[in-house]
Amino acid sequence: DTGVSQDPRHKITKRGQNVTFRCDPISEHNRLYWYRQTLGQGPEFLTYFQNEAQLEKSRLLSDRFSAERPKGSFSTLEIQRTEQGDSAMYLCASSLWGTSYEQYFGPGTRLTVT
Amino acid sequence: AQSVTQLGSHVSVSEGALVLLRCNYSSSVPPYLFWYVQYPNQGLQLLLKYTSAATLVKGINGFEAEFKKSETSFHLTKPSAHMSDAAEYFCAVSGRDSSYKLIFGSGTRLLVRP
Repeated sequence: DTGVSQDPRHKITKRGQNVTFRCDPISEHNRLYWYRQTLGQGPEFLTYFQNEAQLEKSRLLSDRFSAERPKGSFSTLEIQRTEQGDSAMYLCASSLWGTSYEQYFGPGTRLTVT
Repeated sequence: AQSVTQLGSHVSVSEGALVLLRCNYSSSVPPYLFWYVQYPNQGLQLLLKYTSAATLVKGINGFEAEFKKSETSFHLTKPSAHMSDAAEYFCAVSGRDSSYKLIFGSGTRLLVRP
């Protein structure tokens, strides 16, 4: 069990560029969550998957954001036409639905939009 | 709708002193409750969880929390603070809808004075 991993750890981009983040959950976990954390705040829910199905999206997830989990394993979060307000830490978590309700978090991807 | 309130954005204690971090929740159904710790530029680590078993929950690193339904509280305590406890602490609630997404408080930064 290597834990949840995220790549990259840091991303600096210019406004208007597209960025993509990757999350690899704990291998047997069937649920995967994305959260966003801005400075001085707690994480806020963005979306989640059960296996490959995206089951819920927050109102925070504008149409510039898209997430996928194509084979029920890793997930990607893409932000198109980035804005300065997108600067935040993007956290991924996974859990084993049906067995426990604990979510295990990755180290996060810190996005800075200049 | 569920919500979490953490009283005190900063708490300062002396090394060896009692740690008390406050968390109050709002939920229309019996919730699941969690405490997470976050060190600088890292993801969240689960300290402990309440999922309707024992109301006094013991976690890692000597932390414990007590679920008090009448007070809608889930305060985190540790008898004796250590310098390594200095971090940001987040209380989170999960309802029992199908998503089990986490709703976080705004966090409490614990400072430990030598």
